[in-house]
Amino acid sequence: NAGVTQTPKFRVLKTGQSMTLLCAQDMNHEYMYWYRQDPGMGLRLIHYSVGEGTTAKGEVPDGYNVSRLKKQNFLLGLESAAPSQTSVYFCASSSPFREQFFGPGTRLTVL
Amino acid sequence: KQEVTQIPAALSVPEGENLVLNCSFTDSAIYNLQWFRQDPGKGLTSLLLIQSSQREQTSGRLNASLDKSSGRSTLYIAASQPGDSATYLCAVSLISSGSARQLTFGSGTQLTVLP
Repeated sequence: NAGVTQTPKFRVLKTGQSMTLLCAQDMNHEYMYWYRQDPGMGLRLIHYSVGEGTTAKGEVPDGYNVSRLKKQNFLLGLESAAPSQTSVYFCASSSPFREQFFGPGTRLTVL
Repeated sequence: KQEVTQIPAALSVPEGENLVLNCSFTDSAIYNLQWFRQDPGKGLTSLLLIQSSQREQTSGRLNASLDKSSGRSTLYIAASQPGDSATYLCAVSLISSGSARQLTFGSGTQLTVLP
């Protein structure tokens, strides 16, 4: 039982490049979330999903897109990376109305 | 907008001491409150979840209390150990956030337990 896993762990991009972050969970959770963590700003919700095929915007969605084609996977995409997107990205999952479980994070640097 | 505040931002205590971490929130219409720990360069580990109808939850040396009316929660750590050194985060989910129960996080308290 791996819990929540994230790929990759580290990534360096140049401004304007694109990439996709992958989150996978093996707990059969309905809900999945993407957060970013920045010094002085805490954790902020980017997008979330309440089930396969559904997504919704969180607090800071601009510049990101997401997809939930399979229940166990939640993808976060950056179409044209900007230095302001340098951050640590965390994925989380939960059952409805229950505690959230977090992945180990992806450290992204945009030059 | 819900705001979550954690004071102090940093705390250093000698090993064996009992300690209390504080969390306050501005909107009392919460669904639940969750405490996490985060080790440097790592993800968040869930410690305790308190539903809005509960007053406290306990797990081992940890005890979390919730007072919705005053907008406060405390995390009590008994007999602290160097391995407890980490950043502790509290997060609340608002009833108004809908079915997803999105979390709003505090900035955390960085705890150092000295041997």
